Amino acid sequence: KQEVTQIPAALSVPEGENLVLNCSFTDSAIYNLQWFRQDPGKGLTSLLLIQSSQREQTSGRLNASLDKSSGRSTLYIAASQPGDSATYLCAVRRGSNYKLTFGKGTLLTVNP
Amino acid sequence: GAVVSQHPSWVICKSGTSVKIECRSLDFQATTMFWYRQFPKQSLMLMATSNEGSKATYEQGVEKDKFLINHASLTLSTLTVTSAHPEDSSFYICSAPEVMGGEKLFFGSGTQLSVL
Repeated sequence: KQEVTQIPAALSVPEGENLVLNCSFTDSAIYNLQWFRQDPGKGLTSLLLIQSSQREQTSGRLNASLDKSSGRSTLYIAASQPGDSATYLCAVRRGSNYKLTFGKGTLLTVNP
Repeated sequence: GAVVSQHPSWVICKSGTSVKIECRSLDFQATTMFWYRQFPKQSLMLMATSNEGSKATYEQGVEKDKFLINHASLTLSTLTVTSAHPEDSSFYICSAPEVMGGEKLFFGSGTQLSVL
């Protein structure tokens, strides 16, 4: 059974800092890995999706990497802003059936 | 990107009553939708897969008779929590792929259910 762990559970940083969020998964036979953002009481916004054959994806200040063999992914946020404050979720998809296994998330607070 | 509209955003109900949550794909047809539940500080857990024109597929441990799913059309799926109890209080969220075979899933805004 796939398990996804996210570390740290919470992170508080001053504005402008670069930061890294970590995600690990137990079964390396994944189809893809996706990072989401969730604001309190809201739905999920997809940030980055990395296919199993890819090593990284970038979008603006965000960069996600994937090391499938070691079961790890990182989300790098450059020059953090207060508007980045949210919970960040990592989810892995095993195959073509769209079933996602989520981590518990990292609650990020960026202080002005 | 595709938009998935979910209503209501929050609902409070008395124990024993039923609550219906709707999930609509606004600008695309969703033959399949996924229903997740999230308890505070926990992961989103897949409850069931809703299929247009056929019965839903439930994950292990999810009561079919308690969580009724109907996929009435290519743009609408509903989740009805029947005879709700306080332990059903949770955040429920739906998702759908814009195109079957496409890579991304699009999520609704979620429904916070509180059962008194």
